[in-house]
Formats: sequence, structure tokens, C-alpha cells
Amino acid sequence: EDQVTQSPEALRLQEGESSSLNCSYTVSGLRGLFWYRQDPGKGPEFLFTLYSAGEEKEKERLKATLTKKESFLHITAPKPEDSATYLCAVQAWGGTASKLTFGTGTRLQVTL
Amino acid sequence: GAVVSQHPSRVICKSGTSVKIECRSLDFQATTMFWYRQFPKKSLMLMATSNEGSKATYEQGVEKDKFLINHASLTLSTLTVTSAHPEDSSFYICSARLGTGHEQYFGPGTRLTVT
Repeated sequence: EDQVTQSPEALRLQEGESSSLNCSYTVSGLRGLFWYRQDPGKGPEFLFTLYSAGEEKEKERLKATLTKKESFLHITAPKPEDSATYLCAVQAWGGTASKLTFGTGTRLQVTL
Repeated sequence: GAVVSQHPSRVICKSGTSVKIECRSLDFQATTMFWYRQFPKKSLMLMATSNEGSKATYEQGVEKDKFLINHASLTLSTLTVTSAHPEDSSFYICSARLGTGHEQYFGPGTRLTVT
């Protein structure tokens, strides 16, 4: 069974204090790993897709990396508007097409 | 691009009644849509995969007679919670897949409260 574990559960940073969020996964065959941002009471917003170990993607202050066992979401010089829950999900080859298995997320709070 | 809407955003209903939630892809055609349920501070749990023009595929443990899914067009899928009970209260979110890509784009969610 595919599993996704995210850590830490919650993270509080000061503005400008860089950090990383971790997503560890076990999957029969990785088709893709996805990062989403979710604000309270809203649906997830797509950030990145990573397909193979060694791949990196960047968007503004966010950078996602992937190894064979885990993915990191690096946040550089965060701002208060980066406060949200960040969700990681994996998609495996075979089984239900396109099924995403989500982690429970990391709740990030960035303070002034 | 890739905007997904849901209606209503919030609904309160009495126990025993049915509630319909709509999910629309606004600027693209979605052959596949997904329905998720999310409990507070919990992960999104896939309920079912909806393919246009065919029956939905339900995840293990999801009652298909209770959660009716219809995907009648390439831009609309509906979830009907039949004979709702307080334990059905939750945040329901739909997503749509853009073409044959792997990414799913999510709607804003519907908060259902059953009294």
C-alpha cells in the first residue's frame, strides 16, 4: 500500500528564516510526486510535479527536490503570505489511474 | 487556466435529506474527475474516480449507494449524498485532471454540515 509521511506536522518560522519540509514515501512504482498548498477552508492549489530522482523545480521562494525515498520543499526567505498547509501526494503506476495518495501535510506559519 | 469550481461552498441540511454538490471545470474539458473527503487536520481521502459517460469507480469502504456520482459531461460532475447523517458532515473537494496529464486541479471545496 502506498504511504506518504510528512514532517514536521507544524512549523513556525520568522519572516526570512529559510527551512525545509519533508515528505517520505513508499510506493510500488512512482509515477509522480506532487506538492500542493492548501489555505484554511480552501481546496489544494497545485505547486509542483516531480517524476524522477534528482529532479528539482522552483517557483518563487519554493524549491522542490526528489530522491528515491523522499522529497523536500525548501522555502527560502519566507513571507507571512507563505503561511498555509503544504501537502505532498504520490501517484503510482498501475491500479486506479491517476489516484493520489496524500500525506497529512505540514502547517506552516510565518510571522513578522 | 485549469480552474475548477464547486457549488455550493457551504450547505447545512437535516438528517435524512439528500444534498447535491456540483463540480465544474471552467476552462478545460475533464474526462476524469475525482471526489475527496477531508476531516479536520487530516489528509484528503479519495472517495471515487468519475469518468465522463461511465460509472464511477469507488474506493474501498465508500458506499456507492450513499454517495452517488454522475459525470454527464466533460465539464460537470456531481456528488449526491443520500439520506445524510451527522457523520457525513465533512469537507468535500473535487478535482479534475487536465487532458492526459498527471496533475489534478482542485475545486475550493464544499463544507457539508448535517444536523
